[in-house]
Amino acid sequence: KAGVTQTPRYLIKTRGQQVTLSCSPISGHRSVSWYQQTPGQGLQFLFEYFSETQRNKGNFPGRFSGRQFSNSRSEMNVSTLELGDSALYLCASSFGQASKEKDTQYFGPGTRLTVL
Amino acid sequence: GQNIDQPTEMTATEGAIVQINCTYQTSGFNGLFWYQQHAGEAPTFLSYNVLDGLEEKGRFSSFLSRSKGYSYLLLKELQMKDSASYLCAVIPWGQKVTFGTGTKLQVIP
Repeated sequence: KAGVTQTPRYLIKTRGQQVTLSCSPISGHRSVSWYQQTPGQGLQFLFEYFSETQRNKGNFPGRFSGRQFSNSRSEMNVSTLELGDSALYLCASSFGQASKEKDTQYFGPGTRLTVL
Repeated sequence: GQNIDQPTEMTATEGAIVQINCTYQTSGFNGLFWYQQHAGEAPTFLSYNVLDGLEEKGRFSSFLSRSKGYSYLLLKELQMKDSASYLCAVIPWGQKVTFGTGTKLQVIP
């Protein structure tokens, strides 16, 4: 079974630009969560999508948005990039239901975003 | 809200046993996860405890005590490749997964 895939793997942008990151979950998984990881802050939750609906949201500004498609693939968009947005962006997929097997999140390799 | 506390760094010797602790404050949750993350890589799933007690999986074991708000990850027969960050996470009822900041483990010869 293929794992979680993310594209692109690396991205360099300049301040003020916008960026779209993509995540394809494991087949059969309906939940996709996005995280920002920086050396000082650890894994910070951005949002979770389940069946095309945002189910949970973290404490990030409105410049960070996302969506999920009917095939469970998800995209994350960051507008008006700031230097502080430089980070590793990880997505994780799961079945999205409350049980030991279905809660477990599996992570993609991440997208390393550098904002200059 | 919920707080998750882990030691920031630990050092242990190859072949030894190390215990990484995680304490949390949340009123109720589905389960507690442990993930391993090597530098520059994505976290990989290690264990998921739902019930109190010890779950063993090869050289790794994870323990949960809901009444004490406490979990630990036990690594036996340490190998150099075990040098990584270890992340503790919980899923509070009806809420998102919350991760601790992780414990960076360095295994030395």
